[in-house]
Amino acid sequence: EVQLVESGGGLIQPGRSLRLSCTTSGFTFGDYTMSWLRQAPGKGLEWVGFITTKAIGETPLYAASVQGRFTISRDDSKSIAYLQMNSLKTEDTALYYCANMGRHPAHWGQGALVTVSS
Amino acid sequence: DIVMTQSPLSLPVTLGQPASISCRSSQSLVHSDGNTYLTWFQQRPGQSPRRLIYKVSQRDSGVPDRFSGSGSGTDFTLKISRAEAEDVAIYYCMQGTHWPFTFGPGTKVDIE
Repeated sequence: EVQLVESGGGLIQPGRSLRLSCTTSGFTFGDYTMSWLRQAPGKGLEWVGFITTKAIGETPLYAASVQGRFTISRDDSKSIAYLQMNSLKTEDTALYYCANMGRHPAHWGQGALVTVSS
Repeated sequence: DIVMTQSPLSLPVTLGQPASISCRSSQSLVHSDGNTYLTWFQQRPGQSPRRLIYKVSQRDSGVPDRFSGSGSGTDFTLKISRAEAEDVAIYYCMQGTHWPFTFGPGTKVDIE
């Protein structure tokens, strides 16, 4: 069974940093692009970015709203994807999901809530 | 960025009756690799999104066959042949052809 579990969310002050982890099982992690998406309270879905597989360069791509502040990485030996979030803003408050695959995310985690507030 | 629009935004359905959601993109979603990366997700209340349909019409394993996807280019449709109570959810279309990938605003389906 494919499982993705996000962790590391919480309440954080504006300007501070937070790192989310996505721990996975049930599929060959290294073969999959890993994605991060978010959903602000009561709102729709928004892409944060993704990171390709090592085989095709382990290349990250980011949405304009997080470019330069967020960094996606992966540890294939542990089957974990990470989302490092720096210089957080109140508008980054959302439920953050990780998912496997890029162009059509197949399996999603349950989400990690990040609340940015003073 | 590609703008995805959906209609209607709210869809009351009658149990056992068909329902249809339209999704339109501001540009063609045909990728240079020949695929069209149009995906439909279902998000039930309090749950994570679930992929139903990918590449326009490919139904995911475990998705009831009353769900079907169709379309091409910029115009796509999700159909529910006979609505059931468990179909109450918000349905999103998403394009994965042009970065940044983008979602439609969602269509809220509930029982009439």
